[in-house]
Amino acid sequence: GQNIDQPTEMTATEGAIVQINCTYQTSGFNGLFWYQQHAGEAPTFLSYNVLDGLEEKGRFSSFLSRSKGYSYLLLKELQMKDSASYLCAVRDKDQAGTALIFGKGTTLSVSS
Amino acid sequence: DTGVSQDPRHKITKRGQNVTFRCDPISEHNRLYWYRQTLGQGPEFLTYFQNEAQLEKSRLLSDRFSAERPKGSFSTLEIQRTEQGDSAMYLCASSQGGAGYTFGSGTRLTVV
Repeated sequence: GQNIDQPTEMTATEGAIVQINCTYQTSGFNGLFWYQQHAGEAPTFLSYNVLDGLEEKGRFSSFLSRSKGYSYLLLKELQMKDSASYLCAVRDKDQAGTALIFGKGTTLSVSS
Repeated sequence: DTGVSQDPRHKITKRGQNVTFRCDPISEHNRLYWYRQTLGQGPEFLTYFQNEAQLEKSRLLSDRFSAERPKGSFSTLEIQRTEQGDSAMYLCASSQGGAGYTFGSGTRLTVV
């Protein structure tokens, strides 16, 4: 079956660094995505990993280990506006073509 | 092009009624996806189109649900004989080839 696990909630303070982990078990793999979703809004794309290693984009970085079925999203210099849900999603090419399978999301609360 | 548009933003309907939602994707995107999201959960895949062809439907999509993309541009999602369990945010997304999705703002359905 398909399974994507991420912590339900995390808290952090402004200026800190936070790491959100994601583990996945899927029948196929063709890329892992991270999305940010503010309450009541649509998800917005943050990052994409298809090969092992770290992808850096400004304050956000994402890491992938395909052999471990593991990824993390690293957020640096946290700001209040980073309070949101962070969704890990896997493209499982063996299921539903190029559709993404999403985890339940991690709600991050940033306090001052 | 201003992104993916969904209409209406909100819909309240009585149980047993039919509802139809519309999605206008980014014009150059050939793939269009429908997802459903309930509170505290990640988006759940429903169906996707490549141009006008509906290539995959999730097992979540009961016979009461039907989607079309007649000319390979906009798409409609119809729910017949709505039930309270259909209450959710219905998200449309589009992509070009295997790239990441761009989501619309969603249609929030409440069945009373």
